[in-house]
Amino acid sequence: DTGVSQDPRHKITKRGQNVTFRCDPISEHNRLYWYRQTLGQGPEFLTYFQNEAQLEKSRLLSDRFSAERPKGSFSTLEIQRTEQGDSAMYLCASSLQGVEQFFGPGTRLTVL
Amino acid sequence: DQQVKQNSPSLSVQEGRISILNCDYTNSMFDYFLWYKKYPAEGPTFLISISSIKDKNEDGRFTVFLNKSAKHLSLHIVPSQPGDSAVYFCAASASRTGRRALTFGSGTRLQVQP
Repeated sequence: DTGVSQDPRHKITKRGQNVTFRCDPISEHNRLYWYRQTLGQGPEFLTYFQNEAQLEKSRLLSDRFSAERPKGSFSTLEIQRTEQGDSAMYLCASSLQGVEQFFGPGTRLTVL
Repeated sequence: DQQVKQNSPSLSVQEGRISILNCDYTNSMFDYFLWYKKYPAEGPTFLISISSIKDKNEDGRFTVFLNKSAKHLSLHIVPSQPGDSAVYFCAASASRTGRRALTFGSGTRLQVQP
């Protein structure tokens, strides 16, 4: 399978805990994006990397959120001190030169 | 503020008929538009796109129409098939500004009845 992969697919955590998600983009895609989707809404942009540089961050990305792409390949998204409002589907996407972005299956986070 | 709006939460059509999904936008900086399809428990799948320099783009059963003056686009699926049943998202990009973020609508759930 050469598509975008995300791990884990599901995560249940207690409020206040830290969680980390991983995204592996399509091979050779230099752009990587994180989005969040809540029930009944479309995906909302969080952040964007070109290679290892984080070039765009949304206002949605509070201080508790941090994303990295250290070698320009896979990326991690960490949420510290999780809150119930963080419960959502976290989507990763990648692209090469075009505007079209290709999404992974997502990580569903439930904060109890 | 919602810059991309899909005002119909759901749509039901008969197999073989045309499905028309609509999308409106407010930001005049948007210059590229995309449609994604999403099945439950999967990520969105890219379907078709259109640049603002065009008014129509066709790919098999899928055609997207863009009316810039009305800030409106639509996705036509002809003929509709039961496998097309999914949630469809409209998305927009302001690529000429250098931004890469996509702005999505809230989606329309399409159900194609056999």
